[in-house]
Amino acid sequence: QKEVEQNSGPLSVPEGAIASLNCTYSDRGSQSFFWYRQYSGKSPELIMSIYSNGDKEDGRFTAQLNKASQYVSLLIRDSQPSDSATYLCAVTPYNQGGKLIFGQGTELSVKP
Amino acid sequence: GAGVSQTPSNKVTEKGKYVELRCDPISGHTALYWYRQSLGQGPEFLIYFQGTGAADDSGLPNDRFFAVRPEGSVSTLKIQRTERGDSAVYLCASSLGGELFFGEGSRLTVL
Repeated sequence: QKEVEQNSGPLSVPEGAIASLNCTYSDRGSQSFFWYRQYSGKSPELIMSIYSNGDKEDGRFTAQLNKASQYVSLLIRDSQPSDSATYLCAVTPYNQGGKLIFGQGTELSVKP
Repeated sequence: GAGVSQTPSNKVTEKGKYVELRCDPISGHTALYWYRQSLGQGPEFLIYFQGTGAADDSGLPNDRFFAVRPEGSVSTLKIQRTERGDSAVYLCASSLGGELFFGEGSRLTVL
């Protein structure tokens, strides 16, 4: 079992719709969770971090964490073509300091 | 500079050669990470440093890979006897303990 799993996609949504990206992780003791966005040919950039159960909202982005289900998701409201990118889920495993493990990423395509 | 700087941006080498990839982190960032990313995959953890020491090198695939950070700033990833399977984008990131800031990567192609 991979430490961090995501559907590779591609996920295609129409402009203005809600895009829902999902991630599961294997280490139940994981403490920190991140979503990075990576445009084609570019390096990853952080868009959201979440540390406790529940929802965290930042503009059009909402991260949701459920530690009991070992599940973290990212919702993008009012999706724009400029949101088309690969979204990477990343997790800090328990007791491994600053080590960050990434999933394989989900490719999102927002169609005008 | 303002961001993480990686050199070279592109490196083409022949199988069996030695390669060095350099990372210059954001000034003051104590943590430095190396990842490897193949096409269509997420970044694969290789090693991270806290200051001068390797805090976790569990991701280095074998003893052909080695990384140093002698003064706690610039880091060099060294690959000996390169193989075609080493071809990938090598990403460096630095951090003060929270968000990772990535460089643009060094694309390594082994022919």
